[in-house]
Amino acid sequence: GAGVSQTPSNKVTEKGKYVELRCDPISGHTALYWYRQSLGQGPEFLIYFQGTGAADDSGLPNDRFFAVRPEGSVSTLKIQRTERGDSAVYLCASSRTGGDTEAFFGQGTRLTVV
Amino acid sequence: AQKVTQAQTEISVVEKEDVTLDCVYETRDTTYYLFWYKQPPSGELVFLIRRNSFDEQNEISGRYSWNFQKSTSSFNFTITASQVVDSAVYFCALREGAQKLVFGQGTRLTINP
Repeated sequence: GAGVSQTPSNKVTEKGKYVELRCDPISGHTALYWYRQSLGQGPEFLIYFQGTGAADDSGLPNDRFFAVRPEGSVSTLKIQRTERGDSAVYLCASSRTGGDTEAFFGQGTRLTVV
Repeated sequence: AQKVTQAQTEISVVEKEDVTLDCVYETRDTTYYLFWYKQPPSGELVFLIRRNSFDEQNEISGRYSWNFQKSTSSFNFTITASQVVDSAVYFCALREGAQKLVFGQGTRLTINP
């Protein structure tokens, strides 16, 4: 597609449930990033993929968070046993190769845990 | 550790005024990249500029200009003759050798007609 696509745009879930957030990067982009943005804050890094592998997952807050990119294109961010503190906008970005190339962001998925 | 500080939480000006958004960064690396992004109400982060640490030339793009000063670790952004469409949250960000971006907390800019 023309840009980074994230689905769903909004997700409301009950505390304790499992959720999956999807990111479709720009075609041909090998680098993919997940960020989390809480209200009134700047985005915070979660994980970076180069191809199929997670090159840096140092931003994942705990083991309830996991992400995959099995074919080097679409990525899924998975959150187990959701907590109210997980409520935020989850942003995905992709870039052609990583490094000093520009990262293009999607519009995000707003996750609300009630 | 990397850190980006945008001390101005909110700025409100009248249309056609010039406005400067401040950004101060901390890094131990000699090679790094600085960015500005715009986040309109739709939520998508829109890339505005990337600067590497070896290029201190100021840049101008239409009504936008950026002033990079390594001596003060600052990368300020000026909008000349502001317009209502410039209203958004603006983020400054830093990247060292690793791939991740470290963002400031953002400055909410409101341009009033």
